[in-house]
Amino acid sequence: DAGVIQSPRHEVTEMGQEVTLRCKPISGHDYLFWYRQTMMRGLELLIYFNNNVPIDDSGMPEDRFSAKMPNASFSTLKIQPSEPRDSAVYFCASSPLAGGRYNEQFFGPGTRLTVL
Amino acid sequence: AQTVTQSQPEMSVQEAETVTLSCTYDTSESDYYLFWYKQPPSRQMILVIRQEAYKQQNATENRFSVNFQKAAKSFSLKISDSQLGDAAMYFCAEGETSGSRLTFGEGTQLTVNP
Repeated sequence: DAGVIQSPRHEVTEMGQEVTLRCKPISGHDYLFWYRQTMMRGLELLIYFNNNVPIDDSGMPEDRFSAKMPNASFSTLKIQPSEPRDSAVYFCASSPLAGGRYNEQFFGPGTRLTVL
Repeated sequence: AQTVTQSQPEMSVQEAETVTLSCTYDTSESDYYLFWYKQPPSRQMILVIRQEAYKQQNATENRFSVNFQKAAKSFSLKISDSQLGDAAMYFCAEGETSGSRLTFGEGTQLTVNP
């Protein structure tokens, strides 16, 4: 398997622009997570999905952030409009947990977002 | 709510020596998992080792081992025979079995000196 795939790897945009981050989870995984990593706040869980359904979006910072998972192999995280404080590394992770006990998460390579 | 605390922002070790990274956690769950992830400069998050809370035996993966003290809610990582490639940010994480979210600590930046 190719692992979790994220695109783009780097994104530089100007304040006010819309940004869309993409993620393809590992095939067969039931859970998908979006994290944000910054120096100040560390790794924060933004939202996660189970079988394409959002389970917990309490970590989404503002209404400017939205996430979708239209099918089992694709998810997007959108920021509209973007602000400089959104600059961070955004990780997508997937987990094979499905009624089992073990919930290891497999991370993608991350997208480094810079908002000027 | 779950919390994970890593009290050592930075650690350093000489190559071939042993180093221990500390982690404490707090959870109301009776069954949970604990993890150590490594993040090298490439940014990729790599699972180093995992521990099931219901197991008393400490997990071991080659040069990596943990000291799991359930009553004290402590979960330290020991790296033996440190190698230059071990230099990275290390994150401790706790996960529930009732859901699937992970709570991460702040991270410890490990430097390995040649």
